[in-house]
Amino acid sequence: DTAVSQTPKYLVTQMGNDKSIKCEQNLGHDTMYWYKQDSKKFLKIMFSYNNKELIINETVPNRFSPKSPDKAHLNLHINSLELGDSAVYFCASSPTGLAGDEQYFGPGTRLTVT
Amino acid sequence: AQKVTQAQTEISVVEKEDVTLDCVYETRDTTYYLFWYKQPPSGELVFLIRRNSFDEQNEISGRYSWNFQKSTSSFNFTITASQVVDSAVYFCAPPYRTNNNDMRFGAGTRLTVKP
Repeated sequence: DTAVSQTPKYLVTQMGNDKSIKCEQNLGHDTMYWYKQDSKKFLKIMFSYNNKELIINETVPNRFSPKSPDKAHLNLHINSLELGDSAVYFCASSPTGLAGDEQYFGPGTRLTVT
Repeated sequence: AQKVTQAQTEISVVEKEDVTLDCVYETRDTTYYLFWYKQPPSGELVFLIRRNSFDEQNEISGRYSWNFQKSTSSFNFTITASQVVDSAVYFCAPPYRTNNNDMRFGAGTRLTVKP
């Protein structure tokens, strides 16, 4: 069974569209995260949620809205997509969200905006 | 808050060579954790190791070993007898805040192991 899963794996869309990426973890973890990895492999935290509550919201445009219906799911909705949003988006989870927790990553979603 | 520097952007070695990936960090905290993750060409991120600031003992896991030196603020990673399957991007990462676990990754080192 996949511990952290993301759908879709690939997403190709046009500028201005709205799209969502879904993430689910079956590890019973309390904290989930979204990261963005650009073409130079630089990985940057976007959001983290602990038990459905937003903990971290880095300087991300408000076109990005995370939603956590329960602690096993953290979805990412992106409005009015722009070319610069093209990247690989990783979901992750950790047991408690405290420093020292190992993070378990999903396989990533490659978003291409044309 | 912690910060990490991986000065080596790319390294290329021939199979069976030993290779060391450098990681230098900055922190004002006395308690902190350091991680290494691997990202092979398939794209997933794989956890390799976690060390806390109280444990400076070097760690060995098969061909992998880690040298944690608080005196030089370094947490270097050595692969012995490298193999083609070791080709990947390797990230060193400390947590940014000691009461939280938003990972601030280094820029990564791309290792290519040639046959």
